Amino acid sequence: MVVTQSPDTLSVSPGERATLSCRTSQTVGTYFAWYQQKPGQAPRLLIYDVSTRAAGIPGRFSGSGSGTEFTLTISNLQSEDFAVYYCQQYNKWPPAFGPGTKVDVK
Amino acid sequence: EVQLVQSGAEVKKPGESLKISCKGSGYIFTNYWIGWVRQMPGKGLEWMGIIFPDDSDTRYSPSFQGQVTMSADKSTNTAYLQWSSLKASDSAIYYCAKTPLTTVTTNFDYWGQGTLVTVSS
Repeated sequence: MVVTQSPDTLSVSPGERATLSCRTSQTVGTYFAWYQQKPGQAPRLLIYDVSTRAAGIPGRFSGSGSGTEFTLTISNLQSEDFAVYYCQQYNKWPPAFGPGTKVDVK
Repeated sequence: EVQLVQSGAEVKKPGESLKISCKGSGYIFTNYWIGWVRQMPGKGLEWMGIIFPDDSDTRYSPSFQGQVTMSADKSTNTAYLQWSSLKASDSAIYYCAKTPLTTVTTNFDYWGQGTLVTVSS
């Protein structure tokens, strides 16, 4: 199972929308999550089961997709949202993360 | 409040052994799997394996099978990751994380702060 993310880096201005993509080499149903990692910090769960926001995650984060293609959308990007985002499939063994997309300031 | 507190940074020489820990609190430790994730310097996240503290059922990613050993002590709510003979390529940050469900294939909802392991002669 291969998990890929695009783009590697996404440059966005504060207040704009960021769209991050992830693709799996096999279908994974709804067993899909997104994490955010800021420098020097542990990853944080944002979205699980494709589109369910984790506890405390703001509504500007949304997940969508099915089958092998998934999207994380961050609306009205805030300064605290500049970070690296990882996707994860947990349908096929072993669960696997994508290589990450860095969202930086345009 | 759910917390996973990991042991401190380690500096070791190649060939040495090491055991790092992850202590859970604020939830029923034996009800959820604890996973380990490696992050090499400047790189992404790698899923290593997972252990169910209640019965120590352990599943390893093929990439890490035979390279590390996971264990758990439910009397102290602590999970462990150990190496018998470290290599320079084991230098990384290691995170523990808990699952939100009792199923083995799931995401991680809470993470430890990470343990930096440096292996250098």
